[in-house]
Amino acid sequence: GQQLNQSPQSMFIQEGEDVSMNCTSSSIFNTWLWYKQEPGEGPVLLIALYKAGELTSNGRLTAQFGITRKDSFLNISASIPSDVGIYFCAGLSYNTDKLIFGTGTRLQVFP
Amino acid sequence: ETGVTQSPTHLIKTRGQQVTLRCSSQSGHNTVSWYQQALGQGPQFIFQYYREEENGRGNFPPRFSGLQFPNYSSELNVNALELDDSALYLCASIKKRSGGPLTDTQYFGPGTRLTVL
Repeated sequence: GQQLNQSPQSMFIQEGEDVSMNCTSSSIFNTWLWYKQEPGEGPVLLIALYKAGELTSNGRLTAQFGITRKDSFLNISASIPSDVGIYFCAGLSYNTDKLIFGTGTRLQVFP
Repeated sequence: ETGVTQSPTHLIKTRGQQVTLRCSSQSGHNTVSWYQQALGQGPQFIFQYYREEENGRGNFPPRFSGLQFPNYSSELNVNALELDDSALYLCASIKKRSGGPLTDTQYFGPGTRLTVL
């Protein structure tokens, strides 16, 4: 099935560092979403973006909806151990309810 | 807590068997989507149910079927299980405005881990 390209695939960082990850698609999306998934849990919504160029923050998280509508970025500032998990982007096209997920970025934070 | 529950949490079946997975939506949510998440992958859309009818389907064979009940709870049925069906199965509930596209976010349950031997 279709999946969006997410990079990097994994990150190993020290507590306090900033993190950046991105997601690209060959198709245009009208909505971009970022989720975090921890072991044994379903994805939890972090940020939703609804307009090209939109920049939205949620605490230490900031995400942007790319101008071309084919990409999105997520930044985490001053990482902490509880940021550990897998981060997924997901795109939603106009007039469809089908979320297309990225391949995921696994984040490890060392104290 | 998303208010979406799934049962069972884990299940082991053998090839050729049939399985039913269950999902209880968040209160007031009339739409449920089912996703399959293979190990190390992102979730893949299976299908969606809105007002008890299938409303969109991904690239999955007919042996994957579903039901939605008047209380908006839902079932995913898989017949003739194959080894590749081993995955985490997620349901997500949404409150969908009548006839319109999805504008509200989808809330995921914790998933059912299915292992096919």
